[in-house]
Amino acid sequence: ELKVEQNPLFLSMQEGKNYTIYCNYSTTSDRLYWYRQDPGKSLESLFVLLSNGAVKQEGRLMASLDTKARLSTLHITAAVHDLSATYFCAVSSNTGNQFYFGTGTSLTVIP
Amino acid sequence: DTAVSQTPKYLVTQMGNDKSIKCEQNLGHDTMYWYKQDSKKFLKIMFSYNNKELIINETVPNRFSPKSPDKAHLNLHINSLELGDSAVYFCASSQLSGGVSAFFGQGTRLTVV
Repeated sequence: ELKVEQNPLFLSMQEGKNYTIYCNYSTTSDRLYWYRQDPGKSLESLFVLLSNGAVKQEGRLMASLDTKARLSTLHITAAVHDLSATYFCAVSSNTGNQFYFGTGTSLTVIP
Repeated sequence: DTAVSQTPKYLVTQMGNDKSIKCEQNLGHDTMYWYKQDSKKFLKIMFSYNNKELIINETVPNRFSPKSPDKAHLNLHINSLELGDSAVYFCASSQLSGGVSAFFGQGTRLTVV
């Protein structure tokens, strides 16, 4: 079974600071997804990364993918309170018939 | 226009009861999923259907039975509910081989008392 690990599990950071969330996965895949989940809400798709070296940016968030290292990062720049949420990475199987989710990173941005 | 809609949003029921959760997607996707999210927020796939055919059935008690009448619908029926079934259940859909992100429903919070 494909395993997906994120770290850290919990992250508390001050507004204005930068930080990176890491996502490691265990087998070959070139499809990596990042999601955001607010408390009591559904999962919202943030980024889709489909090739080695892919980089996507939206606002203060930037995601990248290194398929050789089986690593994706989600970088947060100059954090603001609105970014407080749980962030999940997910890897899809090569057949695409399921998504394996990481453990999630609960981010709290403190004013 | 909700892309993936599931009902009900909340479900409180007694042990031993049978309940169903409905899911519909209007995105034209060919693959639908059921995920379970536990109290620690871990997301685990339960079932995956492609064009109404079951393609993934993870280790799930056979009290859980999915039904897909057409590729836009995937319902989940649960028999003889147990306390440990309490969780949030998410329906999702995607396109099987398009590198498309999965779109999730709002979730159904099931509480078994």
